[in-house]
Amino acid sequence: NAGVTQTPKFQVLKTGQSMTLQCAQDMNHNSMYWYRQDPGMGLRLIYYSASEGTTDKGEVPNGYNVSRLNKREFSLRLESAAPSQTSVYFCASSLFPGTNEKLFFGSGTQLSVL
Amino acid sequence: TQLLEQSPQFLSIQEGENLTVYCNSSSVFSSLQWYRQEPGEGPVLLVTVVTGGEVKKLKRLTFQFGDARKDSSLHITAAQPGDTGLYLCAGGLISNFGNEKLTFGTGTRLTIIP
Repeated sequence: NAGVTQTPKFQVLKTGQSMTLQCAQDMNHNSMYWYRQDPGMGLRLIYYSASEGTTDKGEVPNGYNVSRLNKREFSLRLESAAPSQTSVYFCASSLFPGTNEKLFFGSGTQLSVL
Repeated sequence: TQLLEQSPQFLSIQEGENLTVYCNSSSVFSSLQWYRQEPGEGPVLLVTVVTGGEVKKLKRLTFQFGDARKDSSLHITAAQPGDTGLYLCAGGLISNFGNEKLTFGTGTRLTIIP
C-alpha cells in the first residue's frame, strides 16, 4: 500500500534554478494538493486539483506552477527558485474535494534554496 | 493573519500525565480535523468533527468541537511516548465565493518523556 509517493525526498537548489517535484497516488483519488510547511506557519496550500483536468490556486501560489498529468499524478514546478521557497513540501490526496474529506499525505520533500 | 491558533506551541510532559491542547479561532468552521505528524513524515488524520459540541474518542484521545464551532480541544489521558509528535488542527471555511477552504493551525509540538 504505497498511498502517496513524493520524489525527491531532499533537494538543494541554487537561486534561479528550476525543478519539478513529483507526486503520485495509487488510491484512485479525485483530488490532489500541494502544501508547504514552514516553522510557526502550519501547512499552507499552494495549488490544488479538485479533479483530473482542473487546477486552482491556493493560499500561496506565487512562484509555482502545477500540472495534473493524469488522475494519479500531480507535479509542482519551481521555474526560478528563490531562498523564500526553502521549505518542506507535501503532496496530499483525497477521494473528493471538500474540507471534511480525509487528506492522505506523502512523506514530504525538504527543499533548500541557497 | 493566522485564522487558527493552537496552544501551547510546545508541550513536554512525563509519561502517564494528562494533557489538553487547544485550537482557537474567531471564525466559524463547517468542520474541524486533527492530524498528528511524526518527524520526516506527512500528517495523518486522527479525527473529523462536524457538529458543534461533538465529542469523539479515539482510545486515550478525546476530541471536542466547541458549541459555536470556533474552537476545539484534544485531551490525552495517561500520555505515552508514542503520542509524541506535532498535532495540527485544520478547519473548514466557506469563503465569500462559496468555495470551501481548509486552513491549518500552527501546531502543538508534544514530547512525552519516558
